[in-house]
Amino acid sequence: DIVMTQSPDSLAVSLGERATIHCKSSQSILYSSDNKNYLAWYQQKPGHPPNLLIYWASTRESGVPDRFSGSGSGTDFTLTISGLQAEDVAVYYCQQYYSTPLTFGGGTKVEIK
Amino acid sequence: QVQLVQSGAEVKKPGASVKVSCKASGYTFTSYDINWVRQTTGQGLEWMGWMNPNSGNTGYAQKFQGRVTMTSDISIRTAYMELSSLTPEDTALYYCARASGGGCCNWFDPWGQGTLVTVSS
Repeated sequence: DIVMTQSPDSLAVSLGERATIHCKSSQSILYSSDNKNYLAWYQQKPGHPPNLLIYWASTRESGVPDRFSGSGSGTDFTLTISGLQAEDVAVYYCQQYYSTPLTFGGGTKVEIK
Repeated sequence: QVQLVQSGAEVKKPGASVKVSCKASGYTFTSYDINWVRQTTGQGLEWMGWMNPNSGNTGYAQKFQGRVTMTSDISIRTAYMELSSLTPEDTALYYCARASGGGCCNWFDPWGQGTLVTVSS
């Protein structure tokens, strides 16, 4: 199974500042035949299911604000929130879909400093 | 809009089974696979498996093999997940989610609202 490790577990960022979340996979999730990274990012607010933000590691889902961006390749990935807003307080998860069983990172809780 | 609506919370005794439903609307039900993911405080988000409503084909995580059954009723656009031989460790919030991007198991959008299953004697 591919293990997804997120860091940090939590972070507090001032409004308008940048939040950076890391996700590392235990093996490469870059598929050589299509040169795509099989990684998604989700946002989960209390009492709600996860909400898709990004897929293919860097493709923003329709309707997601452009302050959310994803980057990285192979085994190391980053979700960046540029200019944190109050409504961004949530837990963020990465997920690999390179192989089954699909696996998720442990989550990163983002709070306002 | 595309929506998945799940059945209500369940309380079960150890050894029992639970069947959770997931009703789809806003899209062609047979064109997308449905996956099931559970969420616990201890284990986080855990993928259980997928089901193709058109073919009935399924794929289960090894951890749940032999205990989980995923089915659907196309006539009412509803997917089901049944988990048997429940233990307290199965206490969790169970989500259905539509697989996007083609194939059984890519990214998930949208997710159902979740069904809390509590296993307690």
